[in-house]
Amino acid sequence: DVKVTQSSRYLVKRTGEKVFLECVQDMDHENMFWYRQDPGLGLRLIYFSYDVKMKEKGDIPEGYSVSREKKERFSLILESASTNQTSMYLCASSSLASQAYNEQFFGPGTRLTVL
Amino acid sequence: AQSVTQLDSHVSVSEGTPVLLRCNYSSSYSPSLFWYVQHPNKGLQLLLKYTSAATLVKGINGFEAEFKKSETSFHLTKPSAHMSDAAEYFCVVTPGGATNKLIFGTGTLLAVQP
Repeated sequence: DVKVTQSSRYLVKRTGEKVFLECVQDMDHENMFWYRQDPGLGLRLIYFSYDVKMKEKGDIPEGYSVSREKKERFSLILESASTNQTSMYLCASSSLASQAYNEQFFGPGTRLTVL
Repeated sequence: AQSVTQLDSHVSVSEGTPVLLRCNYSSSYSPSLFWYVQHPNKGLQLLLKYTSAATLVKGINGFEAEFKKSETSFHLTKPSAHMSDAAEYFCVVTPGGATNKLIFGTGTLLAVQP
């Protein structure tokens, strides 16, 4: 079974702090994704990565950056957290083998609160 | 541009009665379509997917969906609701081609009354 894990289930940070959200997948997937989930808005793509050190902006990249130094790990960075970044953050991965179908596998999510 | 519309934000059914969650999509290409489910405090789980094979797709836990190109719909159904079906359901479209992007609907929260 594909397993996608996220470093924290709940996180509370203060405005202006630098925040790191970590995601690890154990299925050797090439593609990894970061989404945020807000009530009534569904999931919105922040950034994604096709390969190590490769990244592409999603629909809402402002205020975020990412890092992918190893294939299995994809980090989301909030350089200076703000209250409007309070949200649920979901990581996902997918393989090139299933690219035609774009099936993604999701982690349990990190609920981030910025005070 | 590709998009997906979930027509109901909340649906409430009684246990043992049918479930219908409605989804319409817009896509310039032959889309792949998915339904994902999210139980409280859990990650998203794939329920079923349509990838241009059979138009009636069967998924896990007794759910199924029918792709209707003429109506641009992909509604999710289940003959008999169970309490454990209470969750949020997302209809998802991918525009096809080489893109890996998924486009999510805004979700439908399903409540199941005893």
